[in-house]
Amino acid sequence: ETTLTQSPAFMSATPGDKVNISCKASQDIDDDMNWYQQKPGEAAIFIIQEATTLVPGISPRFSGSGYGTDFTLTINNIESEDAAYYFCLQHDNFPRTFGQGTKVEIK
Amino acid sequence: QVQLVQSGAEVKKPGASVKVSCKASGYTFTSYYMHWVRQAPGQGLEWMGIINPSGGSTSYAQKFQGRVTMTRDTSTSTVYMELSSLRSEDTAVYYCARDGTVAEPSYMDVWGKGTTVTVSS
Repeated sequence: ETTLTQSPAFMSATPGDKVNISCKASQDIDDDMNWYQQKPGEAAIFIIQEATTLVPGISPRFSGSGYGTDFTLTINNIESEDAAYYFCLQHDNFPRTFGQGTKVEIK
Repeated sequence: QVQLVQSGAEVKKPGASVKVSCKASGYTFTSYYMHWVRQAPGQGLEWMGIINPSGGSTSYAQKFQGRVTMTRDTSTSTVYMELSSLRSEDTAVYYCARDGTVAEPSYMDVWGKGTTVTVSS
């Protein structure tokens, strides 16, 4: 089973900041990494696929990087609407596993 | 647009079973696998298993083998997840999530809003 270690668990940002969220895999998963955003009471939204590809319709302020075991979600020029819970998913192998999530607060 | 509408919150006693439904719309139901994922309070997301709505085949996470059953009804485009022998640790929000690719399982692209299941005596 691939363990995903996501950090930080919580972060507070000011509008306009650049935010980085890390997800480290316990084994090589190529680029089989996705990122999601979830707000309370809402369905999760798919934002980054295959580690670096922005899902159509998602703001270009979001970007992803990484390959193998180290991955990063970056939010540029963060806005108040970006306050949410973000999590990573590996789909390289079964069982699918997730990072523990990051709650992003906007000051 | 693609939508997954889940059934309402449930409260169950330890030892009971719960059956959560997920009604799909906006796409060809039998073309995409469906995952079930749960999140206990204060915990991360946990993958429970997957069902192929076309033939009904399933694959479950080892942790849930013997306690979970995933089924589907193609006439109503609905998938079901039944979890038996409930214990307090099963208190969680349960999500269905469509697989994003046709033909073979991959990742989740569209999620339901979740169903809260509370197990309490």
